[in-house]
Amino acid sequence: AQSVAQPEDQVNVAEGNPLTVKCTYSVSGNPYLFWYVQYPNRGLQFLLKYITGDNLVKGSYGFEAEFNKSQTSFHLKKPSALVSDSALYFCAVRDPLYSSASKIIFGSGTRLSIRP
Amino acid sequence: ETGVTQTPRHLVMGMTNKKSLKCEQHLGHNAMYWYKQSAKKPLELMFVYSLEERVENNSVPSRFSPECPNSSHLFLHLHTLQPEDSALYLCASSQDGQGARGNTGELFFGEGSRLTVL
Repeated sequence: AQSVAQPEDQVNVAEGNPLTVKCTYSVSGNPYLFWYVQYPNRGLQFLLKYITGDNLVKGSYGFEAEFNKSQTSFHLKKPSALVSDSALYFCAVRDPLYSSASKIIFGSGTRLSIRP
Repeated sequence: ETGVTQTPRHLVMGMTNKKSLKCEQHLGHNAMYWYKQSAKKPLELMFVYSLEERVENNSVPSRFSPECPNSSHLFLHLHTLQPEDSALYLCASSQDGQGARGNTGELFFGEGSRLTVL
C-alpha cells in the first residue's frame, strides 16, 4: 500500500530565510511525487513533480524539491522565503503501476507561515 | 487560470434545497474528479469519471449524486444535505492511461466551490 506523511502541521520561517517542508512516502516501486500549494479559499495549485531523472526538481515560484530514495523523502525547499509563500502545502504520491490519477495519495498538509 | 472552472464559487443552501455544482475543464483531459475538503481533515476523493473507470467512494452519502455528460463537464447534484456537508468541494481533471504521451497523472484543480449548509 502507498502512503505519504507530512510530519509537521505548521512551519514558521522569517522572510529571507531558507525554508523546508518535509514529506516522506511509502510505495512499492519507484514513485511519482508531487507538491501542491493552496492559498486561502482557492484550489490546489501544482508546484512541481518528480517522475524520473535528476533528483533535484525545480518548480514554480522558486521552489525546488529533492528526491531521496534511500530516505524515501521528497522535501520541498526554497532558498529565500517570501511573505507571499504563506499557504498550505500538500505532498502527494502515486505508484506508477496505476495509470489513474485517482490513485494519488495526498498528505495531510503543512501550513507554512512566513513572518516579515 | 488552471483550465478547470468551477461554479458557483460560493453556495449557501438549506437542508431541503436541491442545488448543483458545475465543473468544466478546458485541458482536453480524459478524467474528472470530485474531492471534498473539510477543515482539519484529509482530502477525500468522492467520485472519479474516466475512460478506464468510474469510481464511487462507498462512504459518500447518496445525497451527493455525480453526473458526467462528457469528458469536459462534471456536475455534483446536492439534495437534502446536512450541516456537516459544509466544505470546500474541489473539481480536478487529469490525463490518464498507461503509455499516454506525457501522462504522469498529475491533477489539475479548479478553485473550488465553498458550500455552506444551514
